Amino acid sequence: KNQVEQSPQSLIILEGKNCTLQCNYTVSPFSNLRWYKQDTGRGPVSLTIMTFSENTKSNGRYTATLDADTKQSSLHITASQLSDSASYICVVRGTTSYDKVIFGPGTSLSVIP
Amino acid sequence: KAGVTQTPRYLIKTRGQQVTLSCSPISGHRSVSWYQQTPGQGLQFLFEYFSETQRNKGNFPGRFSGRQFSNSRSEMNVSTLELGDSALYLCASSNGDRVTGYTFGSGTRLTVV
Repeated sequence: KNQVEQSPQSLIILEGKNCTLQCNYTVSPFSNLRWYKQDTGRGPVSLTIMTFSENTKSNGRYTATLDADTKQSSLHITASQLSDSASYICVVRGTTSYDKVIFGPGTSLSVIP
Repeated sequence: KAGVTQTPRYLIKTRGQQVTLSCSPISGHRSVSWYQQTPGQGLQFLFEYFSETQRNKGNFPGRFSGRQFSNSRSEMNVSTLELGDSALYLCASSNGDRVTGYTFGSGTRLTVV
């Protein structure tokens, strides 16, 4: 069964600190993996996309890594800001004929002053 | 380039009523997907339409239905509303290929009383 798991479920960090969010998936065959940021009450916004051949992708203070062999991805946030408080969702797309995507449950991040 | 537009932004309905939500995708995008998000829950996939045809369907009761028009605009209908249908309903559009991700709208917050 195709699944996407994320850890931790929630996280509280101090402003200015770094943090790493994890995503494990069993989707196979695999096409690409995206990280989305969702502010409360808003729609998710794409942060990064990684295909099978990519190991690292950065977007400002966000850096995503991918290990396609172990089916693991991480999102590292550097020098966190209060505005980073949001839910971070890992989304994996398979290569079925209907390009079905599997959403992870998300990690809720709270950055406190 | 205009983003994904969902209307209305907020909606309050009573049990037993029906509701129709609207989604206008990004110009040129032919795929529209609908998701339900309840507090503390991840995004639950409802259905996806591509070129006016339902391409994928999630595990929701028949009270949830949708359609897509020739201009790619989509509507979602929920009949015989239940209290548990209270949620943020998100629409996402894409051009249908495996690389392009989904662009989400801001959602419709539905409250059933």
